[in-house]
Amino acid sequence: GAVVSQHPSWVICKSGTSVKIECRSLDFQATTMFWYRQFPKQSLMLMATSNEGSKATYEQGVEKDKFLINHASLTLSTLTVTSAHPEDSSFYICSARVGRDVGRRTEAFFGQGTRLTVV
Amino acid sequence: RKEVEQDPGPFNVPEGATVAFNCTYSNSASQSFFWYRQDCRKEPKLLMSVYSSGNEDGRFTAQLNRASQYISLLIRDSKLSDSATYLCVVNNANTGNQFYFGTGTSLTVIP
Repeated sequence: GAVVSQHPSWVICKSGTSVKIECRSLDFQATTMFWYRQFPKQSLMLMATSNEGSKATYEQGVEKDKFLINHASLTLSTLTVTSAHPEDSSFYICSARVGRDVGRRTEAFFGQGTRLTVV
Repeated sequence: RKEVEQDPGPFNVPEGATVAFNCTYSNSASQSFFWYRQDCRKEPKLLMSVYSSGNEDGRFTAQLNRASQYISLLIRDSKLSDSATYLCVVNNANTGNQFYFGTGTSLTVIP
């Protein structure tokens, strides 16, 4: 099946620094990728939709200036957590769908996730 | 109201038992439905898509009731390896292709 690769798998950073997470579609082109965040014992919460060549669409309550998304190519989207704080510590997961057609029934493929710890 | 609602459990069942999970969704325009499985500290992985006619894959049976906006997953002859969190996922391509996840139902199969 389609493969989505996410890097890094885990990162520990100091409060106030920025962290970049990469999400790559390895064997297909993804015009749209999605970024999720998951806190312990909670479900995945959609943060934003990353659109190739245009601005990301953020969900209500997600600060676009804090979570910078860049989708520069059809195979790469990046999420940068700027000025990270301990409350940003979470499991961040990206996903992409195969297929460009709206309405096509295809499942989402997920990256391996990035466990971010801000100390 | 949440897009997708699930009973979080936990469900603790003995090996060989049959267990059923339920899920409801709020948007009647939703088009695609899935069950994903997530192991601890791992990414979700597709277990099966859910079709209007119902579908079965080995020990797993998924059903969809559009009128009631209700999705179910039945696991027969539970194995220890079935222990995981099961996520009900709904998608509406007309509103941006986002996937909406339920909170997940935790299953532990006991020897």
